[in-house]
Amino acid sequence: DVKVTQSSRYLVKRTGEKVFLECVQDMDHENMFWYRQDPGLGLRLIYFSYDVKMKEKGDIPEGYSVSREKKERFSLILESASTNQTSMYLCATEDRGPYEQYFGPGTRLTVT
Amino acid sequence: GENVEQHPSTLSVQEGDSAVIKCTYSDSASNYFPWYKQELGKRPQLIIDIRSNVGEKKDQRIAVTLNKTAKHFSLHITETQPEDSAVYFCAASKRDSSYKLIFGSGTRLLVRP
Repeated sequence: DVKVTQSSRYLVKRTGEKVFLECVQDMDHENMFWYRQDPGLGLRLIYFSYDVKMKEKGDIPEGYSVSREKKERFSLILESASTNQTSMYLCATEDRGPYEQYFGPGTRLTVT
Repeated sequence: GENVEQHPSTLSVQEGDSAVIKCTYSDSASNYFPWYKQELGKRPQLIIDIRSNVGEKKDQRIAVTLNKTAKHFSLHITETQPEDSAVYFCAASKRDSSYKLIFGSGTRLLVRP
């Protein structure tokens, strides 16, 4: 059973704070993804990583950065949180070949 | 860039009826089309997928059809049950050249008992 965990289920931060969201997987999957989910907009890809220290921008990378120092861990960083980054953040992992993405439980971030 | 449109945004059906959700994609090079189901408060989970060399795929009460010429694909749920109530997302990808999945905006399905 694939296990994908995220560091927090709920997070409240102030505008301008630096925010770290962490995702950990235990299945040795190569690919990891960060999405944000907003009502009526579906899941939008922020960044993804296909190997340790490798990353690529998704469709909405502005205001975010990522770090993947170890295969099992993929971090999303909001350098200076803003209110328009209030959202549900979902991490996902994928093994090369089957293509199924396994999602974490999500972090609901509120920036005030 | 690639775009996936999904309709309807909400769908209400009587238990036992069928439900159909439709998606269109813009990039003709897309070749992999998964569907994810997200129950309230839970994470999205893959329920079925189809590749561009196949026109239809079935798994019990759910089926997906793909029309490559028209660039659209659909999810069909027959004999709906209350536990089918969820948000459904379609997605498209150019597998073998990209890891990116482009998701549709989602359809909230409500099955009335």
